[in-house]
Amino acid sequence: KQEVTQIPAALSVPEGENLVLNCSFTDSAIYNLQWFRQDPGKGLTSLLLIQSSQREQTSGRLNASLDKSSGRSTLYIAASQPGDSATYLCAVRHQAGTALIFGKGTTLSVSS
Amino acid sequence: NAGVTQTPKFQVLKTGQSMTLQCAQDMNHEYMSWYRQDPGMGLRLIHYSVGAGITDQGEVPNGYNVSRSTTEDFPLRLLSAAPSQTSVYFCASRERGGSRETQYFGPGTRLLVL
Repeated sequence: KQEVTQIPAALSVPEGENLVLNCSFTDSAIYNLQWFRQDPGKGLTSLLLIQSSQREQTSGRLNASLDKSSGRSTLYIAASQPGDSATYLCAVRHQAGTALIFGKGTTLSVSS
Repeated sequence: NAGVTQTPKFQVLKTGQSMTLQCAQDMNHEYMSWYRQDPGMGLRLIHYSVGAGITDQGEVPNGYNVSRSTTEDFPLRLLSAAPSQTSVYFCASRERGGSRETQYFGPGTRLLVL
């Protein structure tokens, strides 16, 4: 059974710092991996989607990498801002399935 | 495009009552799904649909029912509400295939069962 783990569960950093959020998954037979952002009391917003054949995706100050063989993905946030404060969720879709399996998220707090 | 919409935003039920959570999308997506989000448990899949007339169970389907009569709508029915169904419910949709598989989520319905 696929399991997705996100470490750390919470992270506090000062504004301007570069940071890395980690996601690991137990079954490397994935179709794709997505990173989402969730603000308190809100729905999820997709940040980046990485296909299993890709190594990384970039959007603005965000860069997500994927190492399928080791079962790991990282989300790199450059020059963090208070507006980046949110919970970040990683989710994988298995090759043989249609559903996303989510990690429990990392709650990021960026102080000004 | 309105994206994925959900109604109601908040609902209080008594144990044993039934209700329907509404979900609609205007992006002509084939795939729609329902998740529940609970503290410490993350998001878990309840039911999903790969097209009109086709539905299947997810990880936690018990106590819930779905149907998909149109591409746009995917309602979730609670047959007899229980306190264990107190949760935040999210509907999501996506296209099928490759880079178009970005998942879009609705704003959620907060359900409290007393």
